[in-house]
Amino acid sequence: SAVISQKPSRDICQRGTSLTIQCQVDSQVTMMFWYRQQPGQSLTLIATANQGSEATYESGFVIDKFPISRPNLTFSTLTVSNMSPEDSSIYLCSVSGPLGYEQYFGPGTRLTVT
Amino acid sequence: KQEVTQIPAALSVPEGENLVLNCSFTDSAIYNLQWFRQDPGKGLTSLLLIQSSQREQTSGRLNASLDKSSGRSTLYIAASQPGDSATYLCAPQGIGNTPLVFGKGTRLSVIA
Repeated sequence: SAVISQKPSRDICQRGTSLTIQCQVDSQVTMMFWYRQQPGQSLTLIATANQGSEATYESGFVIDKFPISRPNLTFSTLTVSNMSPEDSSIYLCSVSGPLGYEQYFGPGTRLTVT
Repeated sequence: KQEVTQIPAALSVPEGENLVLNCSFTDSAIYNLQWFRQDPGKGLTSLLLIQSSQREQTSGRLNASLDKSSGRSTLYIAASQPGDSATYLCAPQGIGNTPLVFGKGTRLSVIA
């Protein structure tokens, strides 16, 4: 299994500012995924991040709003830019296991935008 | 596009009952299916993973079945306990290490 940590665990931010969320994995993984979970909703995929290439964004998510970095095989960051109250969500990173079967999730970052 | 439906949306049962959570998905061309548990405000904990070639998986009091051809999976929880109270999510994965697609979950409350 993979152990994933995220920083920060939670934050309260003001409208118009940006927050960068870090995701650290205890083993090398090819693909990392970033999800958003809005209050009372299920998880929605934001983007897939492969090391050494540009992230692939899902419909409705754009790089200017959610820039992602993937500098190596154990680390990624997601930035939520120019935040509005609608960005208040839990943001989760996820990785696939070594055989590409099971997926593991970090503990999430709970973001509140005021 | 894969769509996942979970029924019921919420369930409240007395402690000790056996219960079944249902998951249906529209695209049967899946690689595997995972069941997760999510406690309020927390991340996801993987409970069971069923490969597309398997019919069921068991872990303790949990048993998950998969009928790929009909696009259905069930999670059976035996002898429920208050500590089982959480939201349960099912998520099929398409072929090619594609991201999981999630249902809205079933919010379970087990009353002591």
